[in-house]
Amino acid sequence: DIVMTQSPDSLAVSLGERATINCKSSQSVLLSSNNKNYLAWYQQKPGQPPKLLIYWASTRESGVPDRFSGSGSGTDFTLTISSLQAEDVAVYYCQQYYSSPPEYTFGQGTKLEIK
Amino acid sequence: EVQLVESGGGLVKPGGSLRLSCAASGFTFYTYNMNWVRQAPGKGLEWVASISSSSSYIYYADSVKGRFTMSRDNDKNLLYLQMNSLRAEDTAVYYCARCTSSWYGGFDQWGQGTLVTVSS
Repeated sequence: DIVMTQSPDSLAVSLGERATINCKSSQSVLLSSNNKNYLAWYQQKPGQPPKLLIYWASTRESGVPDRFSGSGSGTDFTLTISSLQAEDVAVYYCQQYYSSPPEYTFGQGTKLEIK
Repeated sequence: EVQLVESGGGLVKPGGSLRLSCAASGFTFYTYNMNWVRQAPGKGLEWVASISSSSSYIYYADSVKGRFTMSRDNDKNLLYLQMNSLRAEDTAVYYCARCTSSWYGGFDQWGQGTLVTVSS
């Protein structure tokens, strides 16, 4: 099983400042044959289902503000919010979809709050 | 507009059974692989099961293998999760979710979830 570990577990950032969330996989999720990282990021606000933000580690889902960006490769990934807005308060999850057959695993989540 | 609407949750005793449904609309359901994901109260997300567009392939998390059965009816645009031998640790909100593309790209559409509570 691929284990996904996020850091930190919680984070408090001032409005307008940068927020950075890390995700590490227990094995590489980079497929060398297509040079794609099989990693997604989600945002979950209280009482709501998760929302897909980023897939293939760095591709923004349609409609996601460009202050959200994903980076990294292999086993180490980062979700960055360039200028925190009040509506970004949420729990963020990373997920790998590299396993075949599918055995999707999520990180434990990072709770993002306003400082 | 894409919609996924779960139903069938409720209170059940340990060892009991429950069948969840997910009604899909607004997209060509029969062309997408689908998933169930659960979230225990106050906890993170846990993938439960996945089914291919034609039901040819079905995969389960080890935690539910042998107890849960996932299926779909493409004529009715419905997804199901039959849950047997339920345990207290199965208590969670259960979401149905659509694969973005084939088995990849994450899950781009989610329902609002249905709560399953296993308690005596």
